[in-house]
Amino acid sequence: DIQMTQSPSSLSASVGDRVTITCQASQDISNYLNWYQQKPGKAPKLLIYDASNLETGVPSRFSGSGSGTDFTFTISSLQPEDIATYYCQQYDNLFGGGTKVEIK
Amino acid sequence: QVQLVQSGAEVKKPGASVKVSCKASGYTFTGYYMHWVRQAPGQGLEWMGRINPNSGGTNYAQKFQGRVTMTRDTSISTAYMELSRLRSDDTAVYYCARRDIVATKYYFDYWGQGTLVTVSS
Repeated sequence: DIQMTQSPSSLSASVGDRVTITCQASQDISNYLNWYQQKPGKAPKLLIYDASNLETGVPSRFSGSGSGTDFTFTISSLQPEDIATYYCQQYDNLFGGGTKVEIK
Repeated sequence: QVQLVQSGAEVKKPGASVKVSCKASGYTFTGYYMHWVRQAPGQGLEWMGRINPNSGGTNYAQKFQGRVTMTRDTSISTAYMELSRLRSDDTAVYYCARRDIVATKYYFDYWGQGTLVTVSS
């Protein structure tokens, strides 16, 4: 089974900061890596699919990159409404452990 | 617009079974796999399995093999997830989520609102 290692598990940043989350696969998954945002009490929401494609309607401050085993998710300028937990997910349906993003 | 609407919260005793429904609307039900993902309180997302609404074929995560059954009723565009022999650690929010049957689309673009299942004596 392919394992996904997501880091950090939590972070605290100021409004306007650049935030970066990484996800590492235990073997090559090409670009089949997706990113979701989950706010408390809500279902996850797809933000980025196939490593770098922005889902329709998602603000452009969110972006993703990477291929093979190493992937990065970035919020270019953190906003108060971005407070959430972010998850990566690979093509075989396994999710990373999540990153809780808080405002400093 | 695409909607996945799940059944309401359930409280079950250990050893019982629970069946959660997910009614789809706004798209062709048989054109998308329906997956089930659960989330225990304060924990991450855990994939349980999927059903192909077109064929009825299923794939389950090894952890749930023998305890989970996923079915569908195409006449009412509804998918079901039944979990048996419930334990306290099955207490979680259960989500349905759709994924395109096209082979290279591996993402869940719409999710149900979630169904809280509480297992308690």
